[in-house]
Amino acid sequence: DGGITQSPKYLFRKEGQNVTLSCEQNLNHDAMYWYRQDPGQGLRLIYYSQIVNDFQKGDIAEGYSVSREKKESFPLTVTSAQKNPTAFYLCASSITGNEQFFGPGTRLTVL
Amino acid sequence: SQQGEEDPQALSIQEGENATMNCSYKTSINNLQWYRQNSGRGLVHLILIRSNEREKHSGRLRVTLDTSKKSSSLLITASRAADTASYFCVHGGGSNYKLTFGKGTLLTVNP
Repeated sequence: DGGITQSPKYLFRKEGQNVTLSCEQNLNHDAMYWYRQDPGQGLRLIYYSQIVNDFQKGDIAEGYSVSREKKESFPLTVTSAQKNPTAFYLCASSITGNEQFFGPGTRLTVL
Repeated sequence: SQQGEEDPQALSIQEGENATMNCSYKTSINNLQWYRQNSGRGLVHLILIRSNEREKHSGRLRVTLDTSKKSSSLLITASRAADTASYFCVHGGGSNYKLTFGKGTLLTVNP
């Protein structure tokens, strides 16, 4: 089955800890994206990568970091510098800059 | 912010009725997309309409685009309970890969 997976589905973090969210795709897509969604809101772009070993900041990159060492993988680290990390995080991939395919999301809660 | 604006923010209808959602945007676009999000899930791409198109159909979906008014509408005909979801109007993409999401319309279809 081709698709995009995110893990874990739920994640709990203590204040001051870094956590890494996983995103894997087997669609052979060059581009991958990370979004944050807060209740009742649309998606805001955190980081995106158009190709392996390259990525760009989105609209709300502060407090987050990413890597793109493999085409299939685009992990997101939420650092302790992110002051309000509780949110729903969505990963997506695309062939071009148009239609994006989304994973099921990770819900992060800071305790 | 260059977010699109969906209208209404929430819509409740009975099964079998038609649902119309509207979207306005501020910048010139190459295309406009609509996505659906079921509660707590990832997004699913529904349809893309290019700036030189005025109307497009896909199954029970009909999308219109008026570039002179910078607006689009999504019509779902003969709605079903399974259509209950949030619907997002999205623009951007293309060569810079960045999509801009509105806050969405929450559609509730009552059985």
